[in-house]
Amino acid sequence: IQLTQSPSSLPASVGDRVTMTCRASQNINNFLNWYQQKPGKAPEVLIFSASSLYSGVPSRFSGSGSGTGFTLTITSLQPEDFATYYCQQSSIPPYNFGRGTKLEIK
Amino acid sequence: QLQMQESGPGLVKPSETLSLTCTVSHASLDSTTFSWGWLRQPPGKEPELIGSSYSAGPAYYNPSLNSRATISVDTAKNQFSLKVTFVTGADTAVYFCARLGYSGLVTVWGQGTLVTVSS
Repeated sequence: IQLTQSPSSLPASVGDRVTMTCRASQNINNFLNWYQQKPGKAPEVLIFSASSLYSGVPSRFSGSGSGTGFTLTITSLQPEDFATYYCQQSSIPPYNFGRGTKLEIK
Repeated sequence: QLQMQESGPGLVKPSETLSLTCTVSHASLDSTTFSWGWLRQPPGKEPELIGSSYSAGPAYYNPSLNSRATISVDTAKNQFSLKVTFVTGADTAVYFCARLGYSGLVTVWGQGTLVTVSS
């Protein structure tokens, strides 16, 4: 299953609302997870099963979609949100990741 | 709080075997809910699942490694390990140990360790 994330780079400012997408090459129902990774750190899960917020993750993060199209939305960007975001399909092993969207300061 | 820490050589010669150990604190590996796995991330690229195993098996391995990977779980030491044989430069990456939940969701990651394959 191929995952295509867009855009690859997303310039934004503190306080903005941003949306990024992840498209799967075949139907994965809602088996889609989102992670945030900061430089030099391990990724951290934000959203699982397309739209469920993982424990401890701020409510400004939300996910939606099913089938082949998914979105991650961050409302009211905070300085600590500038990072790279990866989607991961968890429908069929090897549960691969997309190439990421780098959220950058405008 | 669950903590995971990778250890092992940071430099491996081509054609040799990469060996890493993950020590788990504040949680037991003897679980039927979670599996224990390894991921890697080449510089500037996305993470890749190498494989995972429950404490009593079975193990799953990513076909991209062409049967070169082995994961072993030692519940007595609360450690699990990774071996990758016949390494090449393409195996240079940050290697993460991790706890995997339902359907491959990676819920806890180690801090990662850089392994460079070079002579």
